[in-house]
Amino acid sequence: NSKVIQTPRYLVKGQGQKAKMRCIPEKGHPVVFWYQQNKNNEFKFLINFQNQEVLQQIDMTEKRFSAECPSNSPCSLEIQSSEAGDSALYLCASTETNTEVFFGKGTRLTVV
Amino acid sequence: GDSVTQTEGLVTLTEGLPVMLNCTYQSTYSPFLFWYVQHLNEAPKLLLKSFTDNKRPEHQGFHATLHKSSSSFHLQKSSAQLSDSALYYCALDTGNYKYVFGAGTRLKVIA
Repeated sequence: NSKVIQTPRYLVKGQGQKAKMRCIPEKGHPVVFWYQQNKNNEFKFLINFQNQEVLQQIDMTEKRFSAECPSNSPCSLEIQSSEAGDSALYLCASTETNTEVFFGKGTRLTVV
Repeated sequence: GDSVTQTEGLVTLTEGLPVMLNCTYQSTYSPFLFWYVQHLNEAPKLLLKSFTDNKRPEHQGFHATLHKSSSSFHLQKSSAQLSDSALYYCALDTGNYKYVFGAGTRLKVIA
């Protein structure tokens, strides 16, 4: 069973508010990912880290999100100013190699 | 760029019938291919993976053969069970830690 822990499980924010979610990757996994799963269940890659450094991120993440993965602390993903379209399940995942990715259960964000 | 195509959004089957979920991909490189399964309110988890052409990994009754000539990695099972109802995602990784997922197929198994 996956040991990727995401908190909170549910988050409700008003439009324009900050929304922050956290992820503790599986112990010893140097690579961490964030995906957005929309209401159509499609996965959208947001950002990934290797040993605290950003590997890749999409434009939206660079402009509207703040993400970090400090050593000895949970990783975090924060939307600076929430929009209705940000309502989704945010999945964190980690891996030791590229042969299997372990997911958390996600944080379900609702922007009202 | 790399992409994964799952043509069926929803597959509804009667228990006991065979399962086949389609997956094709485009990639410049020779990628790892994966199938992930996500049950309701659960984390997605790995079902199968393959890198080797024409090899058929199996797990929990499911199998998939990677065919590089046709860029396909279809998921199959000989007999569907009610507990197989879930979302199934085909995905690829080209080795740079950026996994590309297909749109997903919802499998609904009915009695």
